[in-house]
Formats: sequence, C-alpha cells, structure tokens
Amino acid sequence: NAGVTQTPKFQVLKTGQSMTLQCAQDMNHNSMYWYRQDPGMGLRLIYYSASEGTTDKGEVPNGYNVSRLNKREFSLRLESAAPSQTSVYFCASSEWGLAETEQYFGPGTRLTVT
Amino acid sequence: AQTVTQSQPEMSVQEAETVTLSCTYDTSESDYYLFWYKQPPSRQMILVIRQEAYKQQNATENRFSVNFQKAAKSFSLKISDSQLGDAAMYFCAYRRTNISNFGNEKLTFGTGTRLTIIP
Repeated sequence: NAGVTQTPKFQVLKTGQSMTLQCAQDMNHNSMYWYRQDPGMGLRLIYYSASEGTTDKGEVPNGYNVSRLNKREFSLRLESAAPSQTSVYFCASSEWGLAETEQYFGPGTRLTVT
Repeated sequence: AQTVTQSQPEMSVQEAETVTLSCTYDTSESDYYLFWYKQPPSRQMILVIRQEAYKQQNATENRFSVNFQKAAKSFSLKISDSQLGDAAMYFCAYRRTNISNFGNEKLTFGTGTRLTIIP
C-alpha cells in the first residue's frame, strides 16, 4: 500500500518550459488535491477534484491546469513555467463526506524555475 | 473566508521538556475540524492530532494534546516530554464541516512553526 505517490521528486525548469506533475493514490479515495508550499506562507490549494471527471479551482489556480485522468490519478500541468511557480507541490487525497476523514499527502515535488 | 494564524515562526525546547505551539483561526462557521500536521525534513506531511469543534473535550494522542478554546478561536498544541524526533515544522489547519458540498474537504493552513529540540 503506497498511499499517495508523486513524480518527479525534484525538477528544474527554464522560464517558459512546460511540465506535468503526476500524482496517484491507491486508497480508492474520491477527492484529490494539489497544494503549493512557499516559505512563510503555509500550504495553499491550487485545484481539487471531488470525483473522476470533475475539477475546481482553489485559492491560487492561475498558471496551472489539472486533469483527473481516473479515480487514481490527478495531474498538475504548468504550460509556461514562471519563476513565481518555484515551490514545493503536494498532492493529497481523502474520502468524501465526513469532515473528520484524514487527508493523506504525497512526498512532494520541489520545482525550481530559473 | 477562513484564516489560520500561527504567530510563532520558530520555537525551541530542551529535550524532555514541554512546549506549546499557538494557533488562532477566524471563521463564521459553528461546526468545523481543526488539525495539527507535522512536517519533518523529509517534507512528508504527517497528521498529529485532530479536534472536532462540537466536542468540548480536548483531543490527546500520546504526548500530544490540544487546548481548544472555541469562543476565543484558539487551538494550541502541547508536546510533552519533547524528543529529538519531534523537530519539524508544525502546521495548524482548518476544515469546514461542509456536508452539502462533498468532495471539497479542503484544508486551510497556517504559516507554520519551526520547532527545534535542544539536546
């Protein structure tokens, strides 16, 4: 049982390049989330997906797109990377309905845009 | 919108001593959940403890306990008998009890407190 996995763990991009961050979970959760973590700012929600085929914007969606490929996978795409997107990105998943259900986090991807 | 404030960017404690990390939040909701997450240098986010707002009893998990003051909107974490492995960033987080909108159980995080354990 791997929980939530993310690839890659580290990435360096040049300004204007594109890339996709991959996330997968094996807990059969309906909800999945993408957060970014910046120094002094905690984690902020970029996008979330309540179920396969649905996605919604979070607090800081500009510059990102997401795809909920199936129940297991939720990808985050940067079409044209900018230095302001240098951050650590976390994927998380949880089950529906009961607010006490725990959100499980992946190990994070450290992205640097030069 | 809900906000979570952690006013202590850094704290330190002697090994085996007790330390308290502060968290305040702002919400107009009456029912919600509060969490403390630990992030060690590995970056992995680990749930430490959770508190349901409708419960008056403070949550405890082994050496970790909370002081939940609903009227004051305060949610502090107490770590007893501090150990070297407790060194980490600690994040306070809030989540609505939003049963009318399943799937959006998103967390609102504070900015974190870096805890150092002094041997």
